[in-house]
Formats: sequence, C-alpha cells, structure tokens
Amino acid sequence: AQSVAQPEDQVKVAEGNPLTVKCTYSVSGNPYLFWYVQYPNRGLQFLLKYITGDNLVKGSYGFEAEFNKSQTSFHLKKPSALVSDSALYFCAVSTSNTGKLIFGQGTTLQVKP
Amino acid sequence: DVKVTQSSRYLVKRTGEKVFLECVQDMDHENMFWYRQDPGLGLRLIYFSYDVKMKEKGDIPEGYSVSREKKERFSLILESASTNQTSMYLCASSPPLRGTGNTIYFGEGSWLTVV
Repeated sequence: AQSVAQPEDQVKVAEGNPLTVKCTYSVSGNPYLFWYVQYPNRGLQFLLKYITGDNLVKGSYGFEAEFNKSQTSFHLKKPSALVSDSALYFCAVSTSNTGKLIFGQGTTLQVKP
Repeated sequence: DVKVTQSSRYLVKRTGEKVFLECVQDMDHENMFWYRQDPGLGLRLIYFSYDVKMKEKGDIPEGYSVSREKKERFSLILESASTNQTSMYLCASSPPLRGTGNTIYFGEGSWLTVV
C-alpha cells in the first residue's frame, strides 16, 4: 500500500536560515511526488513535483526538493527562509499504476523574525 | 491559471439538516475530488469523479453522497448533517492522473460547522 510520512509535526527556523521539511514515502512502482502549501484558512497551493529526470526539482517561491530513491525521500528545502513562508506543508505521492494521490499528515513551518 | 471555486466559504448548519457544498472548475478537467481536512488527520478523500455522472468512493464516504451532472460542477451532499461532520472541506480537480503525474488543483475550502 502507498503511504507518505512527514516525521515532524512542526519545524521552527529563524528568518534567513535554510529550512528543510522532511518527507518519506512507500510505494510499489515509480513514484510521482508533490509538495503543497496551505496558508491559514486557505486551500492547498501546488509548490512543485517530481515525475522523472533531475533529482533536484525547483518550484514556486524559491522552494526546491530533492528526490532520493535509495532513501525513499523527497525533502522540501529553501536556502533562506522568510517569515511569510510560515504555513502548513503537505507532501503527497501517487504512482504510474494508480490515479490516487496520498497525502502526508502535514508539517507546520514557523519562521521567526 | 486553474480556478476551482467553492461557492460557500463558511457555513453553519443544524444537526439533521441536508447540506450541499458546491464546487466549479474552469479548466475542463476530467477528475474532481472532495477531501475532508481535520487537524492531525491530514487530508482524507471522501469521493471522486472521473467523468460526468461517474463517481467512486474514497476513504471515508460514509454519511456523504456526491453529484456530477456537468463536467465543471461537483457537489458534495450531507444527507443528514451530524456534529462529527464539522470540518474543512476541500474540492479539487485535475486532468487524468493514472500514469501521468498530472497535478491536482484545490479550491479555497469550505468551513462547515454543524451545531
């Protein structure tokens, strides 16, 4: 069965510091991996995705994510955090065999001034 | 840009009422979805539709039904609302997903409180 784990409920970083939000997955077959962001009282916004090719994927708002097949991970990163990056982040996975997107539990990112 | 519009952002309903949540997308997407979001539980799929008049149960369909009479519109129906259905409801749409890696796009959400 497909599953996604976001091991940290909350991540706190200082503004200007690099940030990492972790995601690991378990699928049979090749994964399609996604990151979404949710600001308070809003819907989910698509940030970036990995389908195939270069393991480093760049997305919106300066975010990037690195696909690591051996560690079955897809961590979200940003070199320099902004206070406005504070939000809830979801990792999701699907495979070429299914039409279903499975979401992690979400990680709250808090960036302090 | 893809636009998924949920007509009601905030609703308060009484226990036992019939509740309709409406969703419209403007990108001619085949797929439409209804998710429920609760703290600590993430997003859970209620129902999805891959074509007009077609529907499939998701992970938590009990207490809900859906209707898709037109391609752009997908309605979630709570036949008899209960307090445990108080939640944030998210509609989404996408092109075909199987084998494609296509992206799902979400609406702004509907906050439903059942009293």
